[in-house]
Amino acid sequence: AQKITQTQPGMFVQEKEAVTLDCTYDTSDPSYGLFWYKQPSSGEMIFLIYQGSYDQQNATEGRYSLNFQKARKSANLVISASQLGDSAMYFCAMRERDSGYSTLTFGKGTMLLVSP
Amino acid sequence: GAGVSQSPSNKVTEKGKDVELRCDPISGHTALYWYRQSLGQGLEFLIYFQGNSAPDKSGLPSDRFSAERTGGSVSTLTIQRTQQEDSAVYLCASSPGGSDTQYFGPGTRLTVL
Repeated sequence: AQKITQTQPGMFVQEKEAVTLDCTYDTSDPSYGLFWYKQPSSGEMIFLIYQGSYDQQNATEGRYSLNFQKARKSANLVISASQLGDSAMYFCAMRERDSGYSTLTFGKGTMLLVSP
Repeated sequence: GAGVSQSPSNKVTEKGKDVELRCDPISGHTALYWYRQSLGQGLEFLIYFQGNSAPDKSGLPSDRFSAERTGGSVSTLTIQRTQQEDSAVYLCASSPGGSDTQYFGPGTRLTVL
């Protein structure tokens, strides 16, 4: 079974609107972390936001917020007031502590296109 | 401050040749990771270094792949006898002790002809 599932291969949104990118995960590890990264066409992976499994509050970073629903095992990224520069590939990733190590498992990504 | 740097940014090689890819992590970061991203795909974990501990090599796809990290800093990923299916972007990331957030370099795009 996939550990990270991003069901939206592509999303379109108009500038200044909000958009939600979906992510569901599967783990039996009680301690885990969830990450969102942005990859523009230049190729670099840019860290956006992090949510720990024990965090009570949803994470927020500027225009980014993470809608964390632990019982549903979902960690959707919400981008408010979209900008043209938000057009990029977005990856959800999970960190599990397995054998004392800490590696990231990535989803297949969602391509977001923001139109004027 | 300086981020993660990788060199070369692009590498074109012929099938069967060996290649070395270099990663210079953020100063002071104890953990270093290598990932591979094939065209249109997510990232595939390759290898992980943490301080002086033995590396986690569980993601290496074959024994043609190896990596070392000298002095707890710079890392080199070596691919021997390259094959066309090795063509991908190889990304390096580092993270500071006590944090799981990984900061990525710009990647090396490897093309095997």
